[in-house]
Amino acid sequence: SSELTQDPAVSVALGQTVRITCQGDSLRSYYASWYQQKPGQAPVLVIYGKNNRPSGIPDRFSGSSSGNTASLTITGAQAEDEADYYCNSRDSSGSRVFGGGTKLTVL
Amino acid sequence: QVQLVQSGAEVKKPGASVKVSCKASGYTFTGYYMHWVRQAPGQGLEWMGWINPNSGGTNYAQKFQGRVTMTRDTSISTAYMELSRLRSDDTAVYYCARFLSSSWYGDWFDPWGQGTLVTVSS
Repeated sequence: SSELTQDPAVSVALGQTVRITCQGDSLRSYYASWYQQKPGQAPVLVIYGKNNRPSGIPDRFSGSSSGNTASLTITGAQAEDEADYYCNSRDSSGSRVFGGGTKLTVL
Repeated sequence: QVQLVQSGAEVKKPGASVKVSCKASGYTFTGYYMHWVRQAPGQGLEWMGWINPNSGGTNYAQKFQGRVTMTRDTSISTAYMELSRLRSDDTAVYYCARFLSSSWYGDWFDPWGQGTLVTVSS
């Protein structure tokens, strides 16, 4: 069983704001990183650290953290943002663990 | 540009072994750990372990210990993941991913290889 918990599915209207969350005890001490995965493609890093975007990731993607919860926010969701999103962090033993993933639907 | 290119799809019989390669370019191969992650059809991402390309040191997820071996060849900037005693539930896409770590920014995977589909079927 995963030590990072994500909602399996979230939907958002085109142009609206959506928050995808990731819960786990390790997040009280360590940052999460976030990955976007579209069908048939490899995951792509979208957020790391406190709130850092790699080059090429639109600024509508942002990250935040509070207590045991990390969040990925998309402000003004676009059709191309429809994808699966995964969080990752350390687990209690120091190894890596992924959340179960959240399927984002843009309506 | 930083790139990871993996070997092609494999079809294996139960009980066999598979070895997937991951060739790195655009950066110093020995400067970053390489992790392996797999994804079964329709499922989420599952972390398998890492290799330190500089020392060859490894750390495997408990689930795969005894069945997985991660190695590297620094002369050709290539990491390998070998999984033995394959079962049907090992059917998955296997990814390599470069791992970056910073005391200020935390840690993350970037980039990822394109993935290698391993199908285990009799």
